[in-house]
Amino acid sequence: AQTVTQSQPEMSVQEAETVTLSCTYDTSESDYYLFWYKQPPSRQMILVIRQEAYKQQNATENRFSVNFQKAAKSFSLKISDSQLGDAAMYFCAYRADSSYKLIFGSGTRLLVRP
Amino acid sequence: GAVVSQHPSRVICKSGTSVKIECRSLDFQATTMFWYRQFPKQSLMLMATSNEGSKATYEQGVEKDKFLINHASLTLSTLTVTSAHPEDSSFYICSARRGVNEQFFGPGTRLTVL
Repeated sequence: AQTVTQSQPEMSVQEAETVTLSCTYDTSESDYYLFWYKQPPSRQMILVIRQEAYKQQNATENRFSVNFQKAAKSFSLKISDSQLGDAAMYFCAYRADSSYKLIFGSGTRLLVRP
Repeated sequence: GAVVSQHPSRVICKSGTSVKIECRSLDFQATTMFWYRQFPKQSLMLMATSNEGSKATYEQGVEKDKFLINHASLTLSTLTVTSAHPEDSSFYICSARRGVNEQFFGPGTRLTVL
């Protein structure tokens, strides 16, 4: 069965600094997708970034980028120039290409210090 | 991005009553919708996959007679919590699939059973 692990329950970063959130996953599938979702206090889930496993290039969205290490089954999220609005729960998620179901990690709470 | 709504956003009910939660895709047709449950400070757990015009597929451990799902149209799925009890109190989130690789989440419904 596929699993997603986030080993950091909480992380803290100074405003304008950079922070990296960790995620590892386990799967026997060769084709899959990985996601990072943000859940602010409003509880609305927001897609931050998506990575297709067949792509070697790491995905980037403005201040958000990932370090995708397929062999190590690692998918970390780097947030550059952190802003107060980045404070939220961040969930790593996996989806096999053969399914539409998302499997979520346990989440990392990100605190941003002004 | 696409918009998914949920109604109600918050509901309080007495133990033993049934509660219906609606999930609507407002600007796209969704052949597949998903229902998640999120306990405080925990991750999203998939409860069931709802396919338009067919029976929902429930995850292991989810009682299908307890959580009735109806996907009557391409824009509406409903989750009915039957004979609700305090342990059913939780945050329920739906998502709707658009195309192959896009899922949009609703804002969630907080259910409190007294």
